[in-house]
Amino acid sequence: KQEVTQIPAALSVPEGENLVLNCSFTDSAIYNLQWFRQDPGKGLTSLLLIQSSQREQTSGRLNASLDKSSGRSTLYIAASQPGDSATYLCAVTDSGAGSYQLTFGKGTKLSVIP
Amino acid sequence: GAGVSQTPSNKVTEKGKYVELRCDPISGHTALYWYRQSLGQGPEFLIYFQGTGAADDSGLPNDRFFAVRPEGSVSTLKIQRTERGDSAMYLCASSSGRVPGANVLTFGAGSRLTVL
Repeated sequence: KQEVTQIPAALSVPEGENLVLNCSFTDSAIYNLQWFRQDPGKGLTSLLLIQSSQREQTSGRLNASLDKSSGRSTLYIAASQPGDSATYLCAVTDSGAGSYQLTFGKGTKLSVIP
Repeated sequence: GAGVSQTPSNKVTEKGKYVELRCDPISGHTALYWYRQSLGQGPEFLIYFQGTGAADDSGLPNDRFFAVRPEGSVSTLKIQRTERGDSAMYLCASSSGRVPGANVLTFGAGSRLTVL
């Protein structure tokens, strides 16, 4: 059974710092990996999607990498801003059963201090 | 619609009652998912629809949970004889589902269920 782990569980940084969030998964047989953002009490917003054949994806100040063979992904946030404060969730799409269901980590709660 | 719409946004009910949660996906999206998120946890898969049929319901915790999508668009998640442990955020997502493995999911804002 796929398991996704995110480290650290919480992170507090001063505004302007670059930071890295980590995600690891146990089964490398995945279709893709996604990073989501979740604001308190809200739904999920997709940030980046990396296909299993890709190594990284970039969107603005965000860069996500994927090392499928080692079961790891990182989300790099450049020049952090207070508006980046949220919980960041990593999820992989399992290839079993053809349902393309996502398996999520518990998330990293990010606080960017002005 | 422009996004995935979920109603109600909040539902408070008493133990033992019946609850329905509704999801209106993005127009034209054939794939629809339900997830459940408990406090401090990541979302957990419940059920996946492709069109009108439940292609994978392996995540439903027990037979008190049931979901339908009769016309391949709106879906309703139904919970019978609610228990306090059912309290969670219920998230719905949809995708075009036409290209396996390229499925960017769009999530709704969720329905927060509280069972007293």
